[in-house]
Amino acid sequence: GAVVSQHPSRVICKSGTSVKIECRSLDFQATTMFWYRQFPKQSLMLMATSNEGSKATYEQGVEKDKFLINHASLTLSTLTVTSAHPEDSSFYICSARSHGGPYTEAFFGQGTRLTVV
Amino acid sequence: AQSVTQLGSHVSVSEGALVLLRCNYSSSVPPYLFWYVQYPNQGLQLLLKYTSAATLVKGINGFEAEFKKSETSFHLTKPSAHMSDAAEYFCAVTNSNSGYALNFGKGTSLLVTP
Repeated sequence: GAVVSQHPSRVICKSGTSVKIECRSLDFQATTMFWYRQFPKQSLMLMATSNEGSKATYEQGVEKDKFLINHASLTLSTLTVTSAHPEDSSFYICSARSHGGPYTEAFFGQGTRLTVV
Repeated sequence: AQSVTQLGSHVSVSEGALVLLRCNYSSSVPPYLFWYVQYPNQGLQLLLKYTSAATLVKGINGFEAEFKKSETSFHLTKPSAHMSDAAEYFCAVTNSNSGYALNFGKGTSLLVTP
């Protein structure tokens, strides 16, 4: 299957700093990328959807100024957590899919464990 | 609107026993359904997906699921559990109205005992 590389896998940062997470599709063009957040022992919650070259669409309750998403190319999307606080500590997962119908599989990155201290 | 409900946050089976993980869906338009597996601190791996071509879907690692429209269900089964099947399992739904973003259930943690 296709590969989605997410980096870093783990990051610890101080409260008030910003953290950037990268999501790359290595062998296909990702026209759409999704960013999810997962709290311990809970499900994945969709944060935002981004299409290449367009502004991201954020889910209700997700602060777009805090979680900056950029999808400037067909192989790279980034999520920047700005002015991070301890409550932002979570597991962030991206997924990417190429253009196509609903059966086009979305491939997931390995996730990023963010800890804000 | 679309959603999935996974019955049972924890399921425990003996090695070699039948695995049954339940998923019921709600969708205002024809749904597309998926089962994913997640190992600790990892991303998600697709087990299988429902396409309208067949109601019984076979996936990887011996898993299969049956789409039952009348019951709005998409339960995941495996005839004989292996120790390596212990993981978190997520049912997910999407449709054309959501831009094909996946809406996940709360997950079921499968424990396999010797």
